[in-house]
Amino acid sequence: GQNIDQPTEMTATEGAIVQINCTYQTSGFNGLFWYQQHAGEAPTFLSYNVLDGLEEKGRFSSFLSRSKGYSYLLLKELQMKDSASYLCAAGPSGNTGKLIFGQGTTLQVKP
Amino acid sequence: GAVVSQHPSRVICKSGTSVKIECRSLDFQATTMFWYRQFPKQSLMLMATSNEGSKATYEQGVEKDKFLINHASLTLSTLTVTSAHPEDSSFYICSAKGVQGTQYFGPGTRLLVL
Repeated sequence: GQNIDQPTEMTATEGAIVQINCTYQTSGFNGLFWYQQHAGEAPTFLSYNVLDGLEEKGRFSSFLSRSKGYSYLLLKELQMKDSASYLCAAGPSGNTGKLIFGQGTTLQVKP
Repeated sequence: GAVVSQHPSRVICKSGTSVKIECRSLDFQATTMFWYRQFPKQSLMLMATSNEGSKATYEQGVEKDKFLINHASLTLSTLTVTSAHPEDSSFYICSAKGVQGTQYFGPGTRLLVL
């Protein structure tokens, strides 16, 4: 079956580093996406990992291990504006292009 | 690049009326668009996959006669909620599939049915 798990909530301090984990049990997907969604807004694309390893993009980095069915999003130098929900998604799936979304991790950054 | 617009951003309607939501890819062509619904504090729920020039594919449990989808061009897909009821009130979000299968989301439409 298709299953993606993320922690529901996390709290971190401004200026710190936080790692949001995502484990998945899916088949037939190409890679792993991370999206950010602020309250009341639509998701925005953060990263896409196809190959194993770490992809760095500014303050945000994303890691993928296909053999372990595991990914994480690393946020450095946390800012208050990073308070949001972070969604991991596996896909695209075959010819449909569908993504399978996790339930999202709500991150609260405190001063 | 990869900008997706959605219109309207908010709509309030009476029970029993129909509401049309437009989703446009502004700077790229999208043969495939997706329609999601999201209730408060819940994750995205895929409703249907919209393919240009063909019928939409609906997810299990989504009524195709109630949620009409039309994808008439490579930059426009529409979702019509027919005979809307209060339980249809939700945040409707579209996305357009770009390169590498990345989905780019529209800003969403908040529907309130009275």
